[in-house]
Amino acid sequence: QVQLQQSGPGLVKPSQTLSLTCAISGDSVSSNSAVWNWIRQTPSRGLEWLGRTYYRSNWYNDYAVSVKSRITIKPDASKNQFSLQLNSVTPEDTAVYYCAKSPQGSGSWYDYWGQGTLVTVSS
Amino acid sequence: QSVLTQPPSASGTPGQRVTISCSGSNSNIGGNYVYWYQQLPGTAPKIVIYRSNQRPSGVPDRFSGSKSDTSASLAISGVRSEDEADYFCAVWDDSLSGPVFGGGTKLTVL
Repeated sequence: QVQLQQSGPGLVKPSQTLSLTCAISGDSVSSNSAVWNWIRQTPSRGLEWLGRTYYRSNWYNDYAVSVKSRITIKPDASKNQFSLQLNSVTPEDTAVYYCAKSPQGSGSWYDYWGQGTLVTVSS
Repeated sequence: QSVLTQPPSASGTPGQRVTISCSGSNSNIGGNYVYWYQQLPGTAPKIVIYRSNQRPSGVPDRFSGSKSDTSASLAISGVRSEDEADYFCAVWDDSLSGPVFGGGTKLTVL
């Protein structure tokens, strides 16, 4: 059974960097048959995919156009986890952030989710 | 404004059949599988339909999915009080090169 455990601060100041980590158990971040995603949710904008990382002999990342200039998703195979960094945050980045796993080749199929982290951007 | 259009609300009495629609375009629903998620208050979404009409193990068989052209539907036959939740559709969008979500439908069981 796959479990995703999120950690990170719930409050970030404007213009600073939002950082969250998703620890994986029951699977491997280096799996050749999984994709590891970050998704956020707000009442006004709903669910928004932010990006993903996956290993297929090499590491690959894909990012949503809306955040591409500000986002980095990094795998950490030694700790079996992956992280999200979102730079230059504004109050518009206030949201519940989720990490989620996709089976191979399924761009919008998320079979396991983290518990969610409410991140508020405020001074 | 979501790429995929869902009605904001739906309702039914226990035992009724309820359907939730998801409307898109040729760049998303028209050429890709649709996925449906159930989200109970304060929890993460949970997959209830994958590949447009497949049900994961553990999801009751009263949940079913269908797709036609650029629209998809989630049906719940014999709705129960525990089905009261938000439901989202999701699909890969070829133009955006990423997944997109519907705005969500709040299901109320009266």
